[in-house]
Amino acid sequence: AQTVTQSQPEMSVQEAETVTLSCTYDTSENNYYLFWYKQPPSRQMILVIRQEAYKQQNATENRFSVNFQKAAKSFSLKISDSQLGDTAMYFCAFMKTSGTYKYIFGTGTRLKVLA
Amino acid sequence: KAGVTQTPRYLIKTRGQQVTLSCSPISGHRSVSWYQQTPGQGLQFLFEYFSETQRNKGNFPGRFSGRQFSNSRSEMNVSTLELGDSALYLCASSNTGTSGGSYNEQFFGPGTRLTVL
Repeated sequence: AQTVTQSQPEMSVQEAETVTLSCTYDTSENNYYLFWYKQPPSRQMILVIRQEAYKQQNATENRFSVNFQKAAKSFSLKISDSQLGDTAMYFCAFMKTSGTYKYIFGTGTRLKVLA
Repeated sequence: KAGVTQTPRYLIKTRGQQVTLSCSPISGHRSVSWYQQTPGQGLQFLFEYFSETQRNKGNFPGRFSGRQFSNSRSEMNVSTLELGDSALYLCASSNTGTSGGSYNEQFFGPGTRLTVL
């Protein structure tokens, strides 16, 4: 069975600084997707960034980038130039590319950006 | 395109009662998943429906059940409520598993906050 672990329950960062959120996962699958979702306070969860496991190049979306280490089963999220609007819960998620299409989420990291 | 909607947004029930939550997916999405979110536990997967069939199921007791209608709208039912069922229940829709689907992204609704007294 797949598992996703986020070992940092809470983090804080100064505005304009860079922060990295950690995520590790466990799977015997070779093909899968990894995701970071953001849940702002009292607002809907949205997708931040997605990575296909077969792609070696790390995904990037504006100020958000990932460090995907397939052998180490690590998938960290880097937020550059942090903004107050980045304050949110961040969830790491895993999904196989075939079969059940079931998402496995981590327990989340609460990030607070300080002015 | 309208987003995922969930009704009601807030619900207060007492132990032993039952409750039904509703989710309307994005138009064209055939997959609807349900999650329970509690502090410290993150998102726990309840079940997923695709074209009116339960395609996946999490590790929740039989008190939790769901269904999907032909228009892809989904309902989740919890019977014999317990205090521990207090949580935010999230619904998410996607095109996952359909040919030409938009690539596995899940679109979440605002959730239903259930409080069991």
